Amino acid sequence: SQQGEEDPQALSIQEGENATMNCSYKTSINNLQWYRQNSGRGLVHLILIRSNEREKHSGRLRVTLDTSKKSSSLLITASRAADTASYFCATTPTGGGNKLTFGTGTQLKVEL
Amino acid sequence: DAGITQSPRHKVTETGTPVTLRCHQTENHRYMYWYRQDPGHGLRLIHYSYGVKDTDKGEVSDGYSVSRSKTEDFLLTLESATSSQTSVYFCAISEDPQPQHFGDGTRLSIL
Repeated sequence: SQQGEEDPQALSIQEGENATMNCSYKTSINNLQWYRQNSGRGLVHLILIRSNEREKHSGRLRVTLDTSKKSSSLLITASRAADTASYFCATTPTGGGNKLTFGTGTQLKVEL
Repeated sequence: DAGITQSPRHKVTETGTPVTLRCHQTENHRYMYWYRQDPGHGLRLIHYSYGVKDTDKGEVSDGYSVSRSKTEDFLLTLESATSSQTSVYFCAISEDPQPQHFGDGTRLSIL
């Protein structure tokens, strides 16, 4: 079963615009991560936010976590064509050790 | 990427044949994982290893077995492949439990 569900499933924006993707999950978590996957490649880790954190930044990425709503958002500012990829959230359930549960992903297309 | 090599990268085989996928790492990381990725399902954990000869099942382990006799190699075996096992298979590694670093996948087609 999927722990995380991303919304929207697909997103198309113009270069320079901001892109926001949302993730909802079902159970309590230790942390939540976001990964990017370019077509035909493996996943690349972007950012990890722990359950006691509310917001985290890394370059053009901003992640928020609301444990009361069991949701997270990933904001990519000033998007570039190179940001075109699929983005996945992944959660580590409380007591789940090192097992990650992935959502189904958001396909982002950034057009010139 | 992160010293992970998956082999083969592509394979086509027939139902009922055994298949072994290999994941090789040069990072000396403790944890290794096998996932499958299917449309509409994201990535699902098949098996993982937390050390040499130490493995455990994931969410979709039925029909799969694994072995890890050396730190650097993690093998995934389909004893008798079925069409439902057609998928893209990803290996991942990590030193601490998180984050994980992924290989570029093996595309497996079972006819």
